[in-house]
Amino acid sequence: AQSVTQPDIHITVSEGASLELRCNYSYGATPYLFWYVQSPGQGLQLLLKYFSGDTLVQGIKGFEAEFKRSQSSFNLRKPSVHWSDAAEYFCAGWGTSYDKVIFGPGTSLSVIP
Amino acid sequence: DTGVSQNPRHKITKRGQNVTFRCDPISEHNRLYWYRQTLGQGPEFLTYFQNEAQLEKSRLLSDRFSAERPKGSFSTLEIQRTEQGDSAMYLCASSAQRTGANVLTFGAGSRLTVL
Repeated sequence: AQSVTQPDIHITVSEGASLELRCNYSYGATPYLFWYVQSPGQGLQLLLKYFSGDTLVQGIKGFEAEFKRSQSSFNLRKPSVHWSDAAEYFCAGWGTSYDKVIFGPGTSLSVIP
Repeated sequence: DTGVSQNPRHKITKRGQNVTFRCDPISEHNRLYWYRQTLGQGPEFLTYFQNEAQLEKSRLLSDRFSAERPKGSFSTLEIQRTEQGDSAMYLCASSAQRTGANVLTFGAGSRLTVL
């Protein structure tokens, strides 16, 4: 079955430090992958997407992600974290029949001033 | 483009009561999705519509749940005889789906608290 996993439930980083959030997927075909961010009590905001082409994708708010087929990973990175980045981050991907997007369990990010 | 709108934002109800949530998608989007999210979890797919047709329902959607999109525009999600386990955030999303994958745009969600 198609699935998206995020190994880290919670991560704490200092403001200004770099960040990497992990995401792994299990799909038979080429996946279409996303990262969404959710602030408390809010809906989901799209950070970036990978559909095809360049495996390093740039998103909003200074985030980027790299698709690595050999590792079945789509990790999210940011070189310097800001306090306002504290939120819940979800990796997600389309099912192979393009009927629904499947979400990972999320990683909660805390930022220490 | 006013985005995806959901109402009410928060609903508190007593166990056994019926509740209805409404979602207004982005106007040119032909697909509309409902997801449920509980605390500390990722969104779980409930159902989706392409225009007015409901094409798939998750096993999470028990008989007490019903969703409609009567004219292919707004959608309603009704929960009958609510239970405490129904307490969750109900998220609506829409997309302009033609072929293959596309981007889902989410609303702010409707939070249900069942006492």
